[in-house]
Amino acid sequence: QVQLQQSGPGLVKPSQTLSLTCAISGDSVSSTSAAWNWIRQSPSRGLEWLGRTYYRATWSNDYAPSVHSRITITPDTSKNQFSLQLNSVTPEDTAVYYCARGMYLRGFYYDYWGQGTLVTVSS
Amino acid sequence: SYELTQPPSVSVSPGQTASITCSGNKLGDKYTSWYQQRPGQSPVLVIYQDTKRPSGVPERFSGSSSGNTATLTISGTQAVDEADYYCQAWDRSTVFGGGTKLTVL
Repeated sequence: QVQLQQSGPGLVKPSQTLSLTCAISGDSVSSTSAAWNWIRQSPSRGLEWLGRTYYRATWSNDYAPSVHSRITITPDTSKNQFSLQLNSVTPEDTAVYYCARGMYLRGFYYDYWGQGTLVTVSS
Repeated sequence: SYELTQPPSVSVSPGQTASITCSGNKLGDKYTSWYQQRPGQSPVLVIYQDTKRPSGVPERFSGSSSGNTATLTISGTQAVDEADYYCQAWDRSTVFGGGTKLTVL
């Protein structure tokens, strides 16, 4: 059974960097059949996919155009986890952030999700 | 950008069949997934690849897709099924629908 455990601060000041980590158990961040994703949810934007990291002989990342210039997703194979960094945050980035495992067959679906972290951007 | 449209709300009586639709351009040519989200909880995958149920999801949940519409059907709806439901597809990027609140009256 795959489990994803999120950690990180729930309050970030405007213009600073949002950082969250997702620890994986029951699978490997280096799996060649899965991708490791960050998805957020807010009343104004609904569910919004932010990006993914995945290993297919080499490491790759895909990011949503809406956050492409501000986002970094990094795997940590030594701890079997992956992290999200979102720079220059504004109150518009206030949301519940989820990590999720993505599986691909003519498109991705997300079969395991973390518990969610409410991140508030406020001074 | 690709868009998925869901009705904001659907109501159903206990024991009856609930149908939740998701519309998108040529959606039937893509795979649709469905997620259930109860208040304060993370989304849970209930249907993937249009019609497949993950292990542990009750048989009363089923999915179909054709043309521009995918449908999540819940047969013999129970009070525990009251939740928000989201469709999701992939068109060069992941897209979610706006969600449908299912009320079991």
